[in-house]
Amino acid sequence: EDQVTQSPEALRLQEGESSSLNCSYTVSGLRGLFWYRQDPGKGPEFLFTLYSAGEEKEKERLKATLTKKESFLHITAPKPEDSATYLCAAPLTGGYQKVTFGTGTKLQVIP
Amino acid sequence: KAGVTQTPRYLIKTRGQQVTLSCSPISGHRSVSWYQQTPGQGLQFLFEYFSETQRNKGNFPGRFSGRQFSNSRSEMNVSTLELGDSALYLCASSLQGSDTGELFFGEGSRLTVL
Repeated sequence: EDQVTQSPEALRLQEGESSSLNCSYTVSGLRGLFWYRQDPGKGPEFLFTLYSAGEEKEKERLKATLTKKESFLHITAPKPEDSATYLCAAPLTGGYQKVTFGTGTKLQVIP
Repeated sequence: KAGVTQTPRYLIKTRGQQVTLSCSPISGHRSVSWYQQTPGQGLQFLFEYFSETQRNKGNFPGRFSGRQFSNSRSEMNVSTLELGDSALYLCASSLQGSDTGELFFGEGSRLTVL
């Protein structure tokens, strides 16, 4: 069964303390791996799409990478405004034209 | 450009009632997908409409239904509300389908069922 699993569920960092969020997937024939950021009470906001193992994308303090089994969202020297829930998602295979989301990692960056 | 607009933002209903939520996608986007978000289950896919046709449906009971109009605006309806239907309902629009790339989400409609 296609599945996307995120870890940890929650992460608390001091400002400037770099870390990584993990997204492992069991989707065969991956057609893309998406990262989103969601602030409380708002809809998710698109960050990155990764298509093939070895691909990397960066945006400010965030860098997303992809291997054959998982994706990482690296946060370098985070600031309090990076606090949010980070979601990863992947399109399902088997002709199902829909996306499955992980349950997210809630990141809190403390000043 | 204008983003995805969802109305109403907040609503409170009682068990047994029905509710209709509305979503206006980004201009030019033909796909609208709906998701239910709860603290325990995360984002769960409800259904997707593409050019007025339902493209796919998630594992939700028939009380959950939707439609899309010729201007791509979409509505979802939940009949005979249950306490467990309390959630944030999100819609997302995309140019060519939810599985093909970037989704643009609205801010959601928060439904509370008493």
